[in-house]
This record gives sequence, structure tokens and C-alpha cells, in this order.
Amino acid sequence: QSALTQPPSVSGSPGQSVTISCTGTSSDVGTYNRVSWYQQTPGTAPKLLIHGVSNRPSGVPDRFSGSKSGNTASLTISGLQAEDEADYYCSSFTSSPTWVFGGGTKLTVL
Amino acid sequence: EVQLVESGGGLVQPGGSLRLSCAASGFSLSNYWMHWVRQAPGKGLVWVSRISSDASTTNYADSVKGQFTISRDNAKNTVFLQMNSLRAEDTAVYYCATQSSYAMDIWGQGTTVTVSS
Repeated sequence: QSALTQPPSVSGSPGQSVTISCTGTSSDVGTYNRVSWYQQTPGTAPKLLIHGVSNRPSGVPDRFSGSKSGNTASLTISGLQAEDEADYYCSSFTSSPTWVFGGGTKLTVL
Repeated sequence: EVQLVESGGGLVQPGGSLRLSCAASGFSLSNYWMHWVRQAPGKGLVWVSRISSDASTTNYADSVKGQFTISRDNAKNTVFLQMNSLRAEDTAVYYCATQSSYAMDIWGQGTTVTVSS
């Protein structure tokens, strides 16, 4: 049950786009379209951004999008805004069957 | 208002036990698989356990298997996490969450567990 691999940090200027990768294995991301993404600001609970690789719950801006290729899933945030500064986590169902999170990525809006 | 509220956290000595509760309000938990996720201070999210809507299926992370037990009482709209033989590395904020569309969509505010002598 190794954690999915995410870059520790990414950054971008307002209005730009950033992409956060999430690399797993054929036992999780590569096999199941059950990848989700979460946003967490300090002191608060995580918030669901994306489920099923690329689906946004109601209320999540369409600036947030998800995709997957092989064992790697990605979250893209376009038109960066200051309020997007947060920690982002990916998660996947696994064949064990369990769930696994990525180590998290800190997004800094410059 | 739809919400989950965790309780039962606190300070416990190494080797001790705690039982966390996760109560739902504004909706019924009985239709949902439920998860526990923890976050150590300054660290990332770590999945702990899940339970099916009818409690027939439970799964655990290797790190807590045999140590933690997840259960639920749908009549009381509550999910539990029994934690035994606690160690310093179990210190974390513990969140419960509902599962919908294979994602964790409703989260509680978390309850803090500190294992220290």
C-alpha cells in the first residue's frame, strides 16, 4: 500500500495553468477509473474536487479538470486564482481492495 | 444541513484505546460506504479503513490491520473506529467521510488523537 507519487510543490501566477501529477501502479491508478482529487486549506477538512478521474461534483468550478494516462493521473487548474492556494491530494481505489492517497502537493499562487 | 461530526478523540497513553464516533445529521448514513482517513501533524492524508453500507464488508490499511476495528450502527446514524494498542505514530486528526461515486465526498471536521505519555 505505497502512497501515490505527487510532486511536493507546484506554483503558478494568477491566470496561468498548472498541472499536478499523481503516479501509481497497475494495481491502482492504472487499472481503476476510481481516481479522485481533493483540495485542503490549512485547518480544514479536505474537499472533493474530482471523482472518477475527470468528473466534477456540482459547485466545483470548471477551471478544475482531471485526466489519466496509464498509471498517471493529472489535475489541471486553469485560470489560477489566489484562492486556489492549497494542498492537493489524489486518491485511488486499489486491487487489495483498499484506498490510497498521494503524498500531497502544495500549490503556491505567486 | 448535511454534515458529519466526529468525536471521541483526545490524549491517550501508549498502549491505550480510544473509540471514535462519526455521527451524521441531515441525511442517512445507511446508504453509504464509510471511510476513516487520518492526517498526522504536518503530514498528508492516509486512508485507514472503510465499511460497507450494511457492515458486511470491512477493509483496513496494513498499518492498522488487527489494531483498529471499524463498525457502524445505522439505526443511530453513526460509524465507529475502535483503536487499540495505540502508538505515538497513531497521533493524527481522524476524519470520517462518505463514499459516493467511488470518492469521499462528505467529510467531517475531524477529531484529534494524541498518543503520548
